[in-house]
Amino acid sequence: QKEVEQDPGPLSVPEGAIVSLNCTYSNSAFQYFMWYRQYSRKGPELLMYTYSSGNKEDGRFTAQVDKSSKYISLFIRDSQPSDSATYLCAMSGLRTGTASKLTFGTGTRLQVTL
Amino acid sequence: DAGVIQSPRHEVTEMGQEVTLRCKPISGHDYLFWYRQTMMRGLELLIYFNNNVPIDDSGMPEDRFSAKMPNASFSTLKIQPSEPRDSAVYFCASSHRDRESKKAFFGQGTRLTVV
Repeated sequence: QKEVEQDPGPLSVPEGAIVSLNCTYSNSAFQYFMWYRQYSRKGPELLMYTYSSGNKEDGRFTAQVDKSSKYISLFIRDSQPSDSATYLCAMSGLRTGTASKLTFGTGTRLQVTL
Repeated sequence: DAGVIQSPRHEVTEMGQEVTLRCKPISGHDYLFWYRQTMMRGLELLIYFNNNVPIDDSGMPEDRFSAKMPNASFSTLKIQPSEPRDSAVYFCASSHRDRESKKAFFGQGTRLTVV
């Protein structure tokens, strides 16, 4: 079993819809949770960053972390065609040495249609 | 800052040849990571450096893979000899020390094809 599980999709939604992307994980040592967005033939770019449990909002994006369930989510409101990309969740632990080592999900491909 | 710079962007080579991928991290960053991305396995960490010193190379698949960081502004990932199963996109990423070090910034990647 992988440490981080993510549905690969593809997920297709109409413009303006609310999108929900999710990851589950098994390693209770993970304390830092990130979402990266990757456009086709580009490198991943950091979208959201949270520490421990809770919610974080940035514009149309909201990241949620539920450590008790080992479940994280990314919500995109009023989705736009420009949001079409692959979304990767990433996590890392707290201990020195592991803190900088990211473990990624395989990514969910999102398509927002007009 | 120009961000993380990788070269070449694309590399096509024949099986058995040596391949060298290059990376220039963001100035001032202390950590440098090499990742490999494939459709089947997603993004996998190969090795990472802290202050030019290799910290964890447990993700390096075989002895055919080696990585160096001779100074704070340059790193290489070498595959010798290359095999078709090494075909993938290789990403370099860098980050800064302290708690923000989890924010890794990625280069554009090198798409390697071994035929």
